[in-house]
Amino acid sequence: GQQLNQSPQSMFIQEGEDVSMNCTSSSIFNTWLWYKQDPGEGPVLLIALYKAGELTSNGRLTAQFGITRKDSFLNISASIPSDVGIYFCAERTQGGSEKLVFGKGTKLTVNP
Amino acid sequence: NAGVMQNPRHLVRRRGQEARLRCSPMKGHSHVYWYRQLPEEGLKFMVYLQKENIIDESGMPKERFSAEFPKEGPSILRIQQVVRGDSAAYFCASSGLAVKETQYFGPGTRLLVL
Repeated sequence: GQQLNQSPQSMFIQEGEDVSMNCTSSSIFNTWLWYKQDPGEGPVLLIALYKAGELTSNGRLTAQFGITRKDSFLNISASIPSDVGIYFCAERTQGGSEKLVFGKGTKLTVNP
Repeated sequence: NAGVMQNPRHLVRRRGQEARLRCSPMKGHSHVYWYRQLPEEGLKFMVYLQKENIIDESGMPKERFSAEFPKEGPSILRIQQVVRGDSAAYFCASSGLAVKETQYFGPGTRLLVL
């Protein structure tokens, strides 16, 4: 079955630092999604990527869809305390249910 | 414009009882997905429904779990004879009709089985 390997599992950084996390897949997919989950809440979509090589920004967030279509990274620049949370990569399956397959998440802690 | 609603937000059940989790999709959305999240894990797909139809239940345990999305009313995820291993956060997501439509998640129901 599909497997997503997300790293690192956790990060502890100082406010103002840049952050990078990535995700690799055992299969080729056509969509990469990055979600953020705050404590006690559901995931919220941050960035969606649909083409190999695509680089997309959303404010201080930047994500790229790897050329091989098996990996993606998410960068956060100039981190702030509200960036705290768990970041998940996800892939959407094709042909039918469009269900999402999630990585295990990167837990981000930002020290003020 | 209300988002995806889930209730209850927290549910405590004793082993052997039934748990009913409800999900109201965003207005205009006709696709509903249920996911389960164990502590320190990502979300795992359970079932995908459209109105009155189960499209994909490949992630549902074979026994005790069922889901429905009736013509009127919310989608229901039902867990019969709950066991401690059912303790988890259950999330519902909804999407519209278009291809590549974003799935919007609700706040989840946290089920604790004593």
